[in-house]
Amino acid sequence: GNSVTQMEGPVTLSEEAFLTINCTYTATGYPSLFWYVQYPGEGLQLLLKATKADDKGSNKGFEATYRKETTSFHLEKGSVQVSDSAVYFCALNTGTASKLTFGTGTRLQVTL
Amino acid sequence: NAGVTQTPKFQVLKTGQSMTLQCAQDMNHNSMYWYRQDPGMGLRLIYYSASEGTTDKGEVPNGYNVSRLNKREFSLRLESAAPSQTSVYFCASSEQGQGVWGEQFFGPGTRLTVL
Repeated sequence: GNSVTQMEGPVTLSEEAFLTINCTYTATGYPSLFWYVQYPGEGLQLLLKATKADDKGSNKGFEATYRKETTSFHLEKGSVQVSDSAVYFCALNTGTASKLTFGTGTRLQVTL
Repeated sequence: NAGVTQTPKFQVLKTGQSMTLQCAQDMNHNSMYWYRQDPGMGLRLIYYSASEGTTDKGEVPNGYNVSRLNKREFSLRLESAAPSQTSVYFCASSEQGQGVWGEQFFGPGTRLTVL
C-alpha cells in the first residue's frame, strides 16, 4: 500500500535559517506529491505540488523536488520567517478518487 | 466564496451520544472527504464521496456513517460516540477529473471531545 514518512518534529529554527523537512514515500504506480501546511487553528492548505519525476514545486519561497530514484520529496526554504511557524504535511495521490495519503506532519517553530 | 465550511467548530459529547458533523462547499466540486487528525498520526481518511450519490469507506470508517445530501453537502454521523473518537475532524473537497494532480480544499475543522 501507499505510505508517507516524514521526519519527526518539532523543528525549531531561528529566523533566516535554512529549512529542510525530509519526506520519503512508498507507492504503487506513479504518484503526485504534495506539501500541505496547517497554521494554528486552521485547516490544511496546499503549499506546493509536483506531478512527475524531476518536477520542482515552489511557492512562497518553499521548494521541493520529486526524486523518483530516492522516492523523496524534501521541503526546503532558504530563509524562514516567524510567520512560517506551522505544521507541514507531505502527501501523495495515486489518482484513486483523488484520495490523499498523508505523513504524520512536522511542526516547525521559528523564533526571533 | 466561503470555500469549505464546517459546523460546529467545537463539540463535547458523552459516551453513547450521537451527533452529526456538517460540511458544505461552494466550489461546485464533485468529490468530498472526511478525515480525522490525531496527534502523531497525521490525517486519516474516514469516508469519501467521489461524486454526488456515491460514498466509500476510507482507512478508518468504523463507528461512522456519512450522507452525501447533494453536491454541496457531505455530513458525518457518529451514532454512539466513544472516547476513541475524540479528535479533530476535517472535511475537504476536490475537483473531479484532475486525475492524480487534484488539489483538496479543507475546512477549518471540528474539535470533538467524547467524555
